[in-house]
Amino acid sequence: AQSVSQHNHHVILSEAASLELGCNYSYGGTVNLFWYVQYPGQHLQLLLKYFSGDPLVKGIKGFEAEFIKSKFSFNLRKPSVQWSDTAEYFCAVNADSWGKLQFGAGTQVVVTP
Amino acid sequence: GAVVSQHPSRVICKSGTSVKIECRSLDFQATTMFWYRQFPKQSLMLMATSNEGSKATYEQGVEKDKFLINHASLTLSTLTVTSAHPEDSSFYICSASLTSTVYEQYFGPGTRLTVT
Repeated sequence: AQSVSQHNHHVILSEAASLELGCNYSYGGTVNLFWYVQYPGQHLQLLLKYFSGDPLVKGIKGFEAEFIKSKFSFNLRKPSVQWSDTAEYFCAVNADSWGKLQFGAGTQVVVTP
Repeated sequence: GAVVSQHPSRVICKSGTSVKIECRSLDFQATTMFWYRQFPKQSLMLMATSNEGSKATYEQGVEKDKFLINHASLTLSTLTVTSAHPEDSSFYICSASLTSTVYEQYFGPGTRLTVT
């Protein structure tokens, strides 16, 4: 069965620190990859997506993610976080044959001032 | 653009009653809408996929007679939790997609259901 794994369930870091959240999936075919963010009390918002082309994808708010096909990974990065980046981050994967988005368990990120 | 609303945002109901949650795409026509359930500190679990004018497709383990989904128009889908029980208490989230595939979904703000 297909699965999406997020390595860290909870991350605490200070402002200006760099952030990297891991995401791996298990599926050998072509996939579409997403990172969503859920700020406290708000709905899920799309941070960035990868369908094809340049494996380094830039999203909103300074986030980027790199698709490494050989590693089945789509890690999210931000070089310098802000307090406002405190949120829950979800990796999601879709393949044409699945008919749905498969979400990872989410990573709660807390940025301290 | 691509705004999805849900109503109500919170609802408390008594055991045995039914509750209807609405999901609307405000500025686009959604070919497909999805209903998720999110447990505390857990990921989103897809409950069902609905296409306008046709029956919803339910995920394994989701009782279709308990969670009635209607997708009457390209901008409205409803989820009715019938004969609610305390274990149905959860956060229900809908999303809408512009296409019949799931390449990109736009999420609603969610509805917190508490069954007493």
